[in-house]
Amino acid sequence: QQQVRQSPQSLTVWEGETAILNCSYEDSTFDYFPWYHQFPGESPALLIAIRPVSNKKEDGRFTIFFNKREKKFSLHIADSQPGDSATYFCAASATNNNAPRFGAGTKLSVKP
Amino acid sequence: NAGVIQTPRHKVTGKGQEATLWCEPISGHSAVFWYRQTIVQGLEFLTYFRNQAPIDDSGMPKERFSAQMPNQSHSTLKIQSTQPQDSAVYLCASSLGVSQNTLYFGAGTRLSVL
Repeated sequence: QQQVRQSPQSLTVWEGETAILNCSYEDSTFDYFPWYHQFPGESPALLIAIRPVSNKKEDGRFTIFFNKREKKFSLHIADSQPGDSATYFCAASATNNNAPRFGAGTKLSVKP
Repeated sequence: NAGVIQTPRHKVTGKGQEATLWCEPISGHSAVFWYRQTIVQGLEFLTYFRNQAPIDDSGMPKERFSAQMPNQSHSTLKIQSTQPQDSAVYLCASSLGVSQNTLYFGAGTRLSVL
């Protein structure tokens, strides 16, 4: 069962635009929401994460927006660069010690 | 710190054969996870261990898949009677804890079942 849904499957933006990647979840016990990125030929690596005590987390050009009521969260990449081209995975986990569940991924291409 | 080490990097098996995948987590990490990556499913959870004890194997296909962690320095994922649909990249990850801790992934084992 897909506990975390992610869209779109692929996304192409021009350099300088803002890329928006979306995720939703079902399990209301989830309370930690990381995003991982994976470059071709590499393994996934943590990019940024949020806990629902806040509805926004920023780190440079990367921002997570979190909507607890709708069980949705999104990753905004401002001023996208060709070097941001990668596959992005959202995930969710709960403090009752379950393993993170990942979305299916969004393949982002940033065209110069 | 060499990171999470997975061996072999590539494995080719014939249909019906057995495949054993190995993972050495980062020293000091108490949690070890196995995921399967495919284009269609993305990162699919299989199983995880905490302090070597199996905690959740709800993602493991029944009957043919098994995982063990005999000591804190390695874990194995065994697939019996491999099928073409088992072809995927199998990723092992470790973390200091379980929830709200960064997962560090290995390079993966690409399994191809002919």
